[in-house]
Amino acid sequence: GNSVTQMEGPVTLSEEAFLTINCTYTATGYPSLFWYVQYPGEGLQLLLKATKADDKGSNKGFEATYRKETTSFHLEKGSVQVSDSAVYFCALSGTDFNKFYFGSGTKLNVKP
Amino acid sequence: GAVVSQHPSRVICKSGTSVKIECRSLDFQATTMFWYRQFPKQSLMLMATSNEGSKATYEQGVEKDKFLINHASLTLSTLTVTSAHPEDSSFYICSAREAWRGTRDIFGQGTRLTVV
Repeated sequence: GNSVTQMEGPVTLSEEAFLTINCTYTATGYPSLFWYVQYPGEGLQLLLKATKADDKGSNKGFEATYRKETTSFHLEKGSVQVSDSAVYFCALSGTDFNKFYFGSGTKLNVKP
Repeated sequence: GAVVSQHPSRVICKSGTSVKIECRSLDFQATTMFWYRQFPKQSLMLMATSNEGSKATYEQGVEKDKFLINHASLTLSTLTVTSAHPEDSSFYICSAREAWRGTRDIFGQGTRLTVV
């Protein structure tokens, strides 16, 4: 079946530090992979996505590469800001794009 | 941009009562809406998929008589937790999909339900 595992938080970093949030998945077929972000009091927003192996999704300085050989989609950012403090969810969607499978979310706290 | 408004954001109810959560798509029509539930430190789990004008499709293990879903219009879906118990306390979140958006589902801000 399909499932997503991501690192447990919270992750606390100082401003301008390097960020990695690990995400691995189990899936049948060839899923699409996503990172969503949820700021306090708001809904989940799509941050980036990748639809096939070796694709790199990027947005707002965040990047993640679809690694089929390691079944991973780790989120990275070279220099985090206080405004990046949020909960980050890794997710996959099957080939029919009908259902999403989410990880448990990782809370990121960035301190000035 | 497209927004999904979920209401209420927090609700506390007594055991045995029913609670209704609304999910509205603003500025777009949602042919399909999804309801998720999240327990602390666990994944968002899909509960059901609802298409406008038809019965919801529930995931395995979700009690359809307990979690009533109505998608009566293209902009509104409701989830009613009937005869709530403390174990129903959770974070519920909806998402809405417009026909042409493909995988770009728009999520509401979620509802924190506490049953006392």
